[in-house]
Amino acid sequence: TQLLEQSPQFLSIQEGENLTVYCNSSSVFSSLQWYRQEPGEGPVLLVTVVTGGEVKKLKRLTFQFGDARKDSSLHITAAQPGDTGLYLCAGVALGSSASKIIFGSGTRLSIRP
Amino acid sequence: EADIYQTPRYLVIGTGKKITLECSQTMGHDKMYWYQQDPGMELHLIHYSYGVNSTEKGDLSSESTVSRIRTEHFPLTLESARPSHTSQYLCASKGWSDRESSGANVLTFGAGSRLTVL
Repeated sequence: TQLLEQSPQFLSIQEGENLTVYCNSSSVFSSLQWYRQEPGEGPVLLVTVVTGGEVKKLKRLTFQFGDARKDSSLHITAAQPGDTGLYLCAGVALGSSASKIIFGSGTRLSIRP
Repeated sequence: EADIYQTPRYLVIGTGKKITLECSQTMGHDKMYWYQQDPGMELHLIHYSYGVNSTEKGDLSSESTVSRIRTEHFPLTLESARPSHTSQYLCASKGWSDRESSGANVLTFGAGSRLTVL
């Protein structure tokens, strides 16, 4: 059972365009993290969202946590080729072991110059 | 400046061989994890550990085994490798992130071990 569903699965856009990636679940999460992974490497943390409705900005990236803490979104403004990679959301569902961190299905993003 | 190290980075072996993937971290983290990932796909949790002498199975059933005799070391072993074990194996540890003002625990990953079983 996939607790965290990400959409879209693949996205290829032109440099300069905006995009939004979604992470959805039927479960409530105490917090959600977003990671980016490049080929041949492990995922690297981008941000953590903790409070329902929270919005965090990281340069051109904006992260939002849903009010009910069941979903999150990542919005990239004016995408650049350096944004290319696999974006993963992750978290611990309430009621599960605090150590059991699960990952979403991932969104593979490709930015064309 | 990764503080979690995995070896080997790449391994190609024949069916039936025993292999051990090494993972070491220098951050003093209690919690450590093994994830399995096919190229460009999602990560599946196969093992985790709360601390020394503690190991638990993850959501994805795996024929591999792990041990945690020392805090810094969390090796994964396959007694008899098969082609179905071909995948990337990512090790991670969990601790507080200096970058995160929320104080939430975050995962630090190694670079991964890409295993190919012929």
